Amino acid sequence: LAKTTQPISMDSYEGQEVNITCSHNNIATNDYITWYQQFPSQGPRFIIQGYKTKVTNEVASLFIPADRKSSTLSLPRVSLSDTAVYYCLVVFDYKLSFGAGTTVTVRA
Amino acid sequence: EAGVTQFPSHSVIEKGQTVTLRCDPISGHDNLYWYRRVMGKEIKFLLHFVKESKQDESGMPNNRFLAERTGGTYSTLKVQPAELEDSGVYFCASSQDTAGWKSGYTFGSGTRLTVV
Repeated sequence: LAKTTQPISMDSYEGQEVNITCSHNNIATNDYITWYQQFPSQGPRFIIQGYKTKVTNEVASLFIPADRKSSTLSLPRVSLSDTAVYYCLVVFDYKLSFGAGTTVTVRA
Repeated sequence: EAGVTQFPSHSVIEKGQTVTLRCDPISGHDNLYWYRRVMGKEIKFLLHFVKESKQDESGMPNNRFLAERTGGTYSTLKVQPAELEDSGVYFCASSQDTAGWKSGYTFGSGTRLTVV
């Protein structure tokens, strides 16, 4: 399994854009990059997934450079309710491997 | 549609006792997964059901853990006898097909197990 490295924590303010970069240097050809969000006392919630280039949905954007050795999750105009742990995963089958994640704290 | 439901949400038991956790997947989802986060560690895969069959139980820590999914609907995870190191949060997830990881899983809110 490809190992991922992401910052332990990030602070932001309401209305700002938050970008979380994840490194996955040994990503394999068949691997996809997936991000989950987790609030306290809840299970992980799928945010977005991509293979290469850029993916956008109603929640976030995912930027993946051509070499795929890193990826950046972009959360536009965050609010207090976006305070959560964000996990970057490299997946190729049903066995998800969660790391420590990035704790994002949004302040007023 | 109802999400993945787990209960109890919390359980406190004494070392040596038995506890059974239950997961109700989204209706129609053949694939059901158990994960857990023990204290201070990361969320880890435990096992995977397709309908009532165990497809992969490589993540089960030892034979004190028994998972079942009779009838291919809800699943139970029994810990017998429980040890202190079993404390943590147990999550269940489901998907319609085996490639559900491509569109993301729906996780339940988890059962927080505390063994004292």
